[in-house]
Amino acid sequence: GENVEQHPSTLSVQEGDSAVIKCTYSDSASNYFPWYKQELGKGPQLIIDIRSNVGEKKDQRIAVTLNKTAKHFSLHITETQPEDSAVYFCAALLSNSGYALNFGKGTSLLVTP
Amino acid sequence: ETGVTQSPTHLIKTRGQQVTLRCSSQSGHNTVSWYQQALGQGPQFIFQYYREEENGRGNFPPRFSGLQFPNYSSELNVNALELDDSALYLCASSKRQGTTNEKLFFGSGTQLSVL
Repeated sequence: GENVEQHPSTLSVQEGDSAVIKCTYSDSASNYFPWYKQELGKGPQLIIDIRSNVGEKKDQRIAVTLNKTAKHFSLHITETQPEDSAVYFCAALLSNSGYALNFGKGTSLLVTP
Repeated sequence: ETGVTQSPTHLIKTRGQQVTLRCSSQSGHNTVSWYQQALGQGPQFIFQYYREEENGRGNFPPRFSGLQFPNYSSELNVNALELDDSALYLCASSKRQGTTNEKLFFGSGTQLSVL
C-alpha cells in the first residue's frame, strides 16, 4: 500500500518568514495530493491540493509543488502569520480507486511574532 | 466550516462496551469516509461508504462497522471496545464522480476515550 513520509515533524519560524514542509510517497500510481491544516480541537481543513498532471499550484500565500519522478511534493507558506500555527498533514490518494487518503504523520508549525 | 457535522463531540466508554458515532455529510456530497486519528498521528482510513455500501476498507477488524443512509449521513459502530480504540474519530464527506473521489472535507470529530 501507499506509504507517505513527512518532514520535519516540528517547524518553528518567525512571522514573515517562509515555511516549507516536504513529503514523499511510495506508490507511483498515486495521482492526487492534498494538504490539510488541523488546529487544536478541530478536524483537518483542506487548504490546497494538486493532481499529478500539474507540477505546481498556488493560492495566495500557499503553494504546492510536485515532482512525480522523485515522488515527492512540498508545501510552501510565504509571509507566515501567527494564525498559520497548526499541524499540517500531507496525503496521497489513488483517486480512481475512490478509497483511502494516506496521510503523513504531520508537521507542527509554530509561527512566533 | 465544512458543513460536516459529527456527534457526539466527546464520549467515554469502558472496555468491552459498544459505541455508535454519527456523521451528517456536506450538502451535495454522496460519499462518507471514516478515519481514526490517534494522538500525535495522522488520520488512518477505516472505511468508505458510497451508495449505502462499503466501498473500501483499511486495516481495521470487523468489530468496526458502518452504515450509510439514503440522505448520505453515516454511522460508525465499534463493538467490544479496547483501550487502543481511544482516539479522535473523523468523518469526511466528498462528492464521488464516476470513479474519481477527491476533496474530502472533514468534520471536527468525536473524541472517544475507552477506560
